[in-house]
Amino acid sequence: QQQVKQSPQSLIVQKGGISIINCAYENTAFDYFPWYQQFPGKGPALLIAIRPDVSEKKEGRFTISFNKSAKQFSLHIMDSQPGDSATYFCAASTAGFQKLVFGTGTRLLVSP
Amino acid sequence: NAGVTQTPKFRILKIGQSMTLQCTQDMNHNYMYWYRQDPGMGLKLIYYSVGAGITDKGEVPNGYNVSRSTTEDFPLRLELAAPSQTSVYFCASSYAGDNTEAFFGQGTRLTVV
Repeated sequence: QQQVKQSPQSLIVQKGGISIINCAYENTAFDYFPWYQQFPGKGPALLIAIRPDVSEKKEGRFTISFNKSAKQFSLHIMDSQPGDSATYFCAASTAGFQKLVFGTGTRLLVSP
Repeated sequence: NAGVTQTPKFRILKIGQSMTLQCTQDMNHNYMYWYRQDPGMGLKLIYYSVGAGITDKGEVPNGYNVSRSTTEDFPLRLELAAPSQTSVYFCASSYAGDNTEAFFGQGTRLTVV
């Protein structure tokens, strides 16, 4: 019940295309859903996060869509760029404590 | 502002050896964490701390120990290293409270041979 399932494992998108990564969870106590971006040789860094009281959050080219009833959330990267090539992790945590449960990661490659 | 600093960046250990992975943060964060990252497995929480003198086990604590004597430092101790502990280790920190951003160090790549 603590798992966060992430798909796909890897993704290749052409420059200018839309990248979509999906995550699903079981624990209804989760109420914070961040996405982390990780470049090779670096630690993960927060990209964007959402709470379940909204269905969508947009920051620049990055959008989180959240479906509370389906217990799913997704990351959309519009106008994908080669510099977006990285590994993306979804995560979830419960209120009151930042103890993140991570998905298994998606390796995104944006081809020029 | 250095953020979260981990040392060493790389290390090769022989089976049965011990070592301490160092982690320090200069953001005055109450919460600190140790994760391990294995290919295709995401990040798994090893231990965490909500303040100096307080630590608790995460999802995969076996074979590790931690201490938190100061707000800034959160070392991870490996006793009797095993090949299964070959991984990339990340230390992270965050403010106390709901849903705050976790800041990660650059990681320590450990190989046990």
